Amino acid sequence: EAGVAQSPRYKIIEKRQSVAFWCNPISGHATLYWYQQILGQGPKLLIQFQNNGVVDDSQLPKDRFSAERLKGVDSTLKIQPAKLEDSAVYLCASTERESGNTIYFGEGSWLTVV
Amino acid sequence: SQQGEEDPQALSIQEGENATMNCSYKTSINNLQWYRQNSGRGLVHLILIRSNEREKHSGRLRVTLDTSKKSSSLLITASRAADTASYFCEAGTSYGKLTFGQGTILTVHP
Repeated sequence: EAGVAQSPRYKIIEKRQSVAFWCNPISGHATLYWYQQILGQGPKLLIQFQNNGVVDDSQLPKDRFSAERLKGVDSTLKIQPAKLEDSAVYLCASTERESGNTIYFGEGSWLTVV
Repeated sequence: SQQGEEDPQALSIQEGENATMNCSYKTSINNLQWYRQNSGRGLVHLILIRSNEREKHSGRLRVTLDTSKKSSSLLITASRAADTASYFCEAGTSYGKLTFGQGTILTVHP
């Protein structure tokens, strides 16, 4: 079974530039999550999708971050414009349904903003 | 949302010793899960324990859950250098919403 795929693996951009990350969850997984993990901290939930609908985006900085999952499969997370404090690993995860199932994580996309 | 809080923040042991880390949470849960994260990698699911279970084993892992104290512990027996990683717990409710604490950084010295 293929795992959660993320790209790019690494990205370095200058502040005020934009960046987009892509995630392809495990086939058939209805729930998709994006997390931000700053070095030395635990992952922080940015947004949760159930199919193509948003379940929770309360911690997404909507002035600069956006995410979509148009066909209920893969998803993109965009940051525009980036700030220095956005330097982090962006983790995508998926599960069959919201609760009680194993959550599968991708390897993450490392962002450095300089 | 539910947030697991792990302690200790860091744990350093010798290979072959046992490692115990703890997790506390605030309100009622349906289940609690433990994850491992190797440096520079994504999180890997280790074990899930449901709220009506008190103990669960998987290989060298033993997880306990005390719902009256709102706490869980993860025991890794006969640790190996490859167990060096950060460990996170996540306490789940019926409506999902995964949140994690700061994690316990485990270092196993060969």
